[in-house]
Amino acid sequence: GAVVSQHPSRVICKSGTSVKIECRSLDFQATTMFWYRQFPKQSLMLMATSNEGSKATYEQGVEKDKFLINHASLTLSTLTVTSAHPEDSSFYICSATTEGRGTDTQYFGPGTRLTVL
Amino acid sequence: QKEVEQDPGPLSVPEGAIVSLNCTYSNSAFQYFMWYRQYSRKGPELLMYTYSSGNKEDGRFTAQVDKSSKYISLFIRDSQPSDSATYLCAMSARGFQKLVFGTGTRLLVSP
Repeated sequence: GAVVSQHPSRVICKSGTSVKIECRSLDFQATTMFWYRQFPKQSLMLMATSNEGSKATYEQGVEKDKFLINHASLTLSTLTVTSAHPEDSSFYICSATTEGRGTDTQYFGPGTRLTVL
Repeated sequence: QKEVEQDPGPLSVPEGAIVSLNCTYSNSAFQYFMWYRQYSRKGPELLMYTYSSGNKEDGRFTAQVDKSSKYISLFIRDSQPSDSATYLCAMSARGFQKLVFGTGTRLLVSP
């Protein structure tokens, strides 16, 4: 199946710093990428949907100025957590689809565990 | 009320048992129903998906959807220790866009 990678797999940072997480589709072109957040013992919550070359669409309650998403190419999307605080500590997972029609499978990355001290 | 409800478990069964995992939902617009498997500290992996009501079988896995009851199930036959993982149900109104996930059920299959 299609492969999606994330980097880094784990990051620890100090409160107030910014952290960038990369999501890459390795063997296919992803027109749409999704960013999720998963807190312990909770479900994956969709944060935003990004389409290559256009602005991301954020879900209600997600601060777009805090979680900056860039989908600059068909194989790369980045999520930047700006001025991170301890409450931002979570497991961030990206996924990608091959088409924008919504009929193709979402392929998930392995996730990035963010810990903010 | 959450859109998708799923018992977090853990569900512990002996090897070889039949496992039943379930989710209920409240949004009648959901048409696509998926089951994902997630190992610890890994991303979810799609097991099966079903469109609308009915059953779908793939090897030891069977997915069932009852839209009239807003209830979906995943059955695992002849469970193996390697099936130990968290199983997440997910659903959407439009294909694989904007998936709404359950909390996941942690399954433990003991040898």
